[in-house]
Amino acid sequence: SQQGEEDPQALSIQEGENATMNCSYKTSINNLQWYRQNSGRGLVHLILIRSNEREKHSGRLRVTLDTSKKSSSLLITASRAADTASYFCATAINTDKLIFGTGTRLQVFP
Amino acid sequence: DAGITQSPRHKVTETGTPVTLRCHQTENHRYMYWYRQDPGHGLRLIHYSYGVKDTDKGEVSDGYSVSRSKTEDFLLTLESATSSQTSVYFCAISGPKGEPQHFGDGTRLSIL
Repeated sequence: SQQGEEDPQALSIQEGENATMNCSYKTSINNLQWYRQNSGRGLVHLILIRSNEREKHSGRLRVTLDTSKKSSSLLITASRAADTASYFCATAINTDKLIFGTGTRLQVFP
Repeated sequence: DAGITQSPRHKVTETGTPVTLRCHQTENHRYMYWYRQDPGHGLRLIHYSYGVKDTDKGEVSDGYSVSRSKTEDFLLTLESATSSQTSVYFCAISGPKGEPQHFGDGTRLSIL
């Protein structure tokens, strides 16, 4: 079963609106990462938040982590059409591996 | 962008044939990974390597083998391809354990 589950599976918004995606996981983690995937391309790393951090910002991205609820959220503010992509969370536990969720498909309409 | 090249980018082959996919990196990273991506399943780890000649299985390793004889190259082999192995295959690399991974642009493999 998946360690990370994103919610919602799909999200459609207008340009300028904010987009929020959520990720839940099952076991204790070292860090949690968010990735973006444009159609036909590989995943691109966006942001990493460690287990002792609660919030992190990068440009228009804001990530929160609640280890007590085993959940994280990714907020994209002032969305643009170019933000249209799939977004994945990935959890790093005490191994060499990341475990990816099934992703949220974001569509931003001009 | 991290220097990762996957080859071929597309391949169509028949059931029962052997297939080898190549991942080449120019970053001298220790870790290399092979994933497959299928609708509804996200990315699933097939095999990974933590050094030359050091490999381990992932979540969906049955039917696949890997080899890493040089730091820069990680090969994924389907010894006898089956239709269930039709998928998009991604290679990724990373430095330290658990740190961000950098992905290639994938190989679309169709097995008829």
